[in-house]
Amino acid sequence: EIVLTQSPGTLSLSPGERATLSCRASQSVSSTYLAWYQQKPGQAPRLLIYAASSRATGIPDRFSGSGSGTDFTLTISRLEPEDFAVYYCQQFGSSPWTFGQGTKVEIK
Amino acid sequence: QVQLQESGPGLVKPSGTLSLTCAVSGGSISSNNWWSWVRQPPGKGLEWIGEIYHSGSTNYNPSLKSRVTISIDRSKNQFSLKLSSVTAADTAVYYCVRDDPRPTWGQGTRVTVSS
Repeated sequence: EIVLTQSPGTLSLSPGERATLSCRASQSVSSTYLAWYQQKPGQAPRLLIYAASSRATGIPDRFSGSGSGTDFTLTISRLEPEDFAVYYCQQFGSSPWTFGQGTKVEIK
Repeated sequence: QVQLQESGPGLVKPSGTLSLTCAVSGGSISSNNWWSWVRQPPGKGLEWIGEIYHSGSTNYNPSLKSRVTISIDRSKNQFSLKLSSVTAADTAVYYCVRDDPRPTWGQGTRVTVSS
């Protein structure tokens, strides 16, 4: 099973600041099957990034994904008030699918 | 575009069987995709349960494999989850997902295991 480790666990930032979230895999992950999600309380996960670096439909360009192999990054260039949420990475190229434990981006 | 909608009982008794259905609209369940179930216990992270292809082939999370059955009904364009011998630890929001490089998720359905 591929273990995904997200860091940091919590990121305390102010609106307008840059957020950099890390997702590290225990073994190589196909970039085609690496996704990032945003989740707010009481809501389903919202797909932000798929195939490691492609923005999903309707996602603002302040969100970007990068990386390959075992190291992936989600960057939010300038935090907007609605961006404070929990973010998960996911790999689904190798069964069983696995998710990172999440990074909470909170208002400082 | 493809949309998924989960349905099923919101309350299941301990030791019983949890049964959920995911209705697929806007596309065919016989397309070249796998179809998955994912769950999220209250206040916790996401856990993949398993997946099915339209041929009936399945893959399950080893941690749940002994209790899980996923099936497909091509005539109704839907797939289903059965989880047996449930306990309070199975209380969660359950999501169905279309496996694709750009995944599509349902809105989720909350299931509580309680007597």
